[in-house]
Amino acid sequence: GESVGLHLPTLSVQEGDNSIINCAYSNSASDYFIWYKQESGKGPQFIIDIRSNMDKRQGQRVTVLLNKTVKHLSLQIAATQPGDSAVYFCAEIGGLTGNQFYFGTGTSLTVIP
Amino acid sequence: EPEVTQTPSHQVTQMGQEVILRCVPISNHLYFYWYRQILGQKVEFLVSFYNNEISEKSEIFDDQFSVERPDGSNFTLKIRSTKLEDSAMYFCASRLQLSGELFFGEGSRLTVL
Repeated sequence: GESVGLHLPTLSVQEGDNSIINCAYSNSASDYFIWYKQESGKGPQFIIDIRSNMDKRQGQRVTVLLNKTVKHLSLQIAATQPGDSAVYFCAEIGGLTGNQFYFGTGTSLTVIP
Repeated sequence: EPEVTQTPSHQVTQMGQEVILRCVPISNHLYFYWYRQILGQKVEFLVSFYNNEISEKSEIFDDQFSVERPDGSNFTLKIRSTKLEDSAMYFCASRLQLSGELFFGEGSRLTVL
């Protein structure tokens, strides 16, 4: 089955710095990936997605990079703010019906004021 | 902004009791999901539901679990005889189409004593 993992379980950055959160996936057939943010006690919140026909996608202060060669995904957050403190999950779609999202274990981002 | 709503936010139950967790997906969405997250662990897929039937389920979703869409708005998860290890946060999610973003509710915390 698929597995999605994160390189680092925790990350601390100074406010205003850029953050990079990494994720590795195992299923080379996966064609859709999403980054979610989860604040304490809340449900996962969509940040940005990318399809396998793209290498890069930008949103507001966030950029997702996809390297299909090494099956690696990264989330870059520009000018990190205290409100960015949360756990970040990458998820890939897969399963028998192509209907399941597989989540990694998450990276806990702490922004130091 | 439309959102997925879940009730109750927290339920405490005795081992062996039946529990029903309720969800109201976003009104025009067609695909519905239950995920769970044991404290400190990753979000795990339980079941997906489309066109009034289960489309896929994980190994976690055994005979103790069932889902139902009793009317046009609610989507429920029933655990027939709860076990201690069922203690977790249960997230309902929905999306409009298979290629679309997955929207999560705030979760229902289940504590089995």
